[in-house]
Amino acid sequence: SYELTQPSSVSVSPGQTARITCSGDVLAKKSARWFQQKPGQAPMLVIYEDSERPSGIPERFSGSSSGTTVTLTISGAQVEDEADYYCYSAADNNHWVFGGGTKLTVL
Amino acid sequence: QVQLVQSGAEVKKPGASVKVSCKASGYTFTGYYMNWVRQAPGQGLEWMGWINPNSGGTNYAQEFQGRITMTRDTSISTAYMELSRLRYDDTAVYYCVRLDGYKYYWGQGMLVTVSS
Repeated sequence: SYELTQPSSVSVSPGQTARITCSGDVLAKKSARWFQQKPGQAPMLVIYEDSERPSGIPERFSGSSSGTTVTLTISGAQVEDEADYYCYSAADNNHWVFGGGTKLTVL
Repeated sequence: QVQLVQSGAEVKKPGASVKVSCKASGYTFTGYYMNWVRQAPGQGLEWMGWINPNSGGTNYAQEFQGRITMTRDTSISTAYMELSRLRYDDTAVYYCVRLDGYKYYWGQGMLVTVSS
């Protein structure tokens, strides 16, 4: 089965750029999405199709892809961006695959 | 508006089964697959599978094969996920999730606690 690998944690100061990577063989042929999850809340989509931003998501959130790695970039991270972030892709036959999640600390 | 309302929290003993319901409203129930995702306390998201409410067809994650059954009742726009032979590590919040392009609609989640 496919796996997606993320760093367990990333830490930045407010205003700095946070980058969270996600690697996996499935990303060579399938696009990735990114979810943000804050404590006690359901996940919220922040990036789809590797780099598209849903309406309502701040412009500081962006995504990119290269080979088997995708990256979520938060430019000028703010305290309210502190959350868990999960990459996700739909493998063959619409099997969803989630990364293990990255805890972003902004302080 | 789209709403997915799940059943309330349950406590189960190891080896028992749990059936989680997800009542949909605000859209045509048979028009969209329903996925199930769970999250153990302090852990990540885990996809469990999906059901096609129109045909009843299902697709389960390998990890749950043999223990999971997804069904639906179109007359009441409700999807169900039943997990059997529960283990302590099945303690988690279980979500139903509807996908429409890049729009995700999540149920409020249902906590299942497996405890003796």
